[in-house]
Amino acid sequence: QSVLTQPPSVSAAPGQKVTISCSGSSSNIGNNYVSWYQQLPGTAPKLLIYDNNKRPSGIPDRFSGSKSGTSATLGITGLQTGDEADYYCGTWDSSLSAKVFGGGTKLTVL
Amino acid sequence: QVQLVQSGAEVKKPGASVKVSCKASGYTFTSYGISWVRQAPGQGLEWMGWISAYNGNTNYAQKLQGRVTMTTDTSTSTAYMELRSLRSDDTAVYYCARAPLLVSPSGYWGQGTLVTVSS
Repeated sequence: QSVLTQPPSVSAAPGQKVTISCSGSSSNIGNNYVSWYQQLPGTAPKLLIYDNNKRPSGIPDRFSGSKSGTSATLGITGLQTGDEADYYCGTWDSSLSAKVFGGGTKLTVL
Repeated sequence: QVQLVQSGAEVKKPGASVKVSCKASGYTFTSYGISWVRQAPGQGLEWMGWISAYNGNTNYAQKLQGRVTMTTDTSTSTAYMELRSLRSDDTAVYYCARAPLLVSPSGYWGQGTLVTVSS
């Protein structure tokens, strides 16, 4: 059981938009920055979003992040088959004094 | 360019220890920390801890306290993660990742090292 809760899977058609939610509490998302990672099969995670809504250099603006209260959301527009991957949210948990991740969401582009 | 290159796959017996290395290049090693994250087969990401390459300060996940040790060798820009008293549920891919601070996200990751614990 992960500290952060994500839906196990989401799906959408190519070109469409999808959102992935990440729910936590005041000890983690509520008072700390959220980051999002993309993990393609057999590869290391890749940072997509940091500080709730910032994109590292090279990440297209099709990827966006937002946070409200104790929840965060990753949005992906203009879906491509290459976006099929597992997506993880992560943040610091002040009560656990540990970095925590969601259980991951598998995105299928139909 | 920033690169983190990890050591190769390991097979260990229960009760043994494993030490995974992570050689950094393309940046000033002592200006950042290194996080270690593991991923059991078919499972999600689990944070193991963080070490400052500047002063060697460490912060470990509570569940691994007493079994894990993270170190750095600034002369070779290499970070190490040693896990002792291995159990079958330690079987996982182990990643090192650059993280400026303890709470920072990780923008650069190693390729991962598969550690298999089996009798």
